[in-house]
Amino acid sequence: GAVVSQHPSWVICKSGTSVKIECRSLDFQATTMFWYRQFPKQSLMLMATSNEGSKATYEQGVEKDKFLINHASLTLSTLTVTSAHPEDSSFYICSARQTGEDRGTQYFGPGTRLTVL
Amino acid sequence: GQNIDQPTEMTATEGAIVQINCTYQTSGFNGLFWYQQHAGEAPTFLSYNVLDGLEEKGRFSSFLSRSKGYSYLLLKELQMKDSASYLCAVMDSNYQLIWGAGTKLIIKP
Repeated sequence: GAVVSQHPSWVICKSGTSVKIECRSLDFQATTMFWYRQFPKQSLMLMATSNEGSKATYEQGVEKDKFLINHASLTLSTLTVTSAHPEDSSFYICSARQTGEDRGTQYFGPGTRLTVL
Repeated sequence: GQNIDQPTEMTATEGAIVQINCTYQTSGFNGLFWYQQHAGEAPTFLSYNVLDGLEEKGRFSSFLSRSKGYSYLLLKELQMKDSASYLCAVMDSNYQLIWGAGTKLIIKP
């Protein structure tokens, strides 16, 4: 149980284009999902907390107009990187927490490696 | 401020035992997590401690002392596949995870 999937696993795009990453909880409902970014040899950095049916909460320094988050159902959250630039190249990882378990474990998706040319 | 400290890198020998320490200072405490992250992959959940004491799960054990703001992850009978980064994370009073920078564990034959 507690499986989280991400799609795509990796993506290469041209500078200026937008990229959408999907995060799905496969065998549980997740009211809350989290989006992280990790640069090489650095720790996880929380970008935003995604809440089903409401606006995401962004961490300080993360541009909400650049990183659009939609959490339209209890099993799906999407992150869209708009007008991507080479500095947005990174490993994007989502995690999900089971509905009703505010203190519960976060289960991670396999990550999406984004390369912007 | 909130702070999680763990060693940057450790080296151990296959078949041996290694202990990875984590100390924390956070606003509130709602549990401590250990995750394993292999290079190029996402973290996978290892353990969760919210009460003092030792939790054993196969070759891995995790210990917590809330009064000391201290935890450790103990890995026994080390295997080459245990080479990875080990992340310590504390859930604060707002149920947000505060992440350590991770400890890179290198296993030598």
